[in-house]
Amino acid sequence: AQKITQTQPGMFVQEKEAVTLDCTYDTSDPSYGLFWYKQPSSGEMIFLIYQGSYDQQNATEGRYSLNFQKARKSANLVISASQLGDSAMYFCAMRRLYMDSNYQLIWGAGTKLIIKP
Amino acid sequence: EAQVTQNPRYLITVTGKKLTVTCSQNMNHEYMSWYRQDPGLGLRQIYYSMNVEVTDKGDVPEGYKVSRKEKRNFPLILESPSPNQTSLYFCASSSLNPLLGQKYNEQFFGPGTRLTVL
Repeated sequence: AQKITQTQPGMFVQEKEAVTLDCTYDTSDPSYGLFWYKQPSSGEMIFLIYQGSYDQQNATEGRYSLNFQKARKSANLVISASQLGDSAMYFCAMRRLYMDSNYQLIWGAGTKLIIKP
Repeated sequence: EAQVTQNPRYLITVTGKKLTVTCSQNMNHEYMSWYRQDPGLGLRQIYYSMNVEVTDKGDVPEGYKVSRKEKRNFPLILESPSPNQTSLYFCASSSLNPLLGQKYNEQFFGPGTRLTVL
């Protein structure tokens, strides 16, 4: 069975500092994708970044990067130069990449990030 | 604009009164899914659909029904809501086409429906 673990229920970070949000996963599938979503207080889910299990390089999207360590089964999100608007819940999620499988996303419990001015 | 819409956004109802939450996407996606979000549990899948007339149970289907008569619509039906179905509900859609590049894996989410059952 697939499982996502986010061990940090909450984090306080000073504005402009870099932030690392932890995510470890468990799967026996050889082909999978890892996602990070941001959920602000307004409630919507905002896609941030994606990493495929066979991707050779770590994914980057603007201030977001994914520190993918396949052997350790970790996919930590790094936010550089944090901003007040980064305050939100952050979810790590995973799903199989087989074409005939349920595209179900398996989610972690989330990390509440608060950026202090 | 590519989007997933859900209605209503907020709903307060009473136990046993049937309700439907609508979901519609304009991206011609084959795959659609319903999740519920509860504090400390992340999101859990209720039902999903791989295409028109093809639906299947997710992890927490009890008390819910779905239908997929058209590609763009995937309504969630609660025949007899109970207080334990009070939650934040998300509809999501995704392409099954592997030729769209990296982001074909992305699931697009609706804005969420906050349901309270009294």
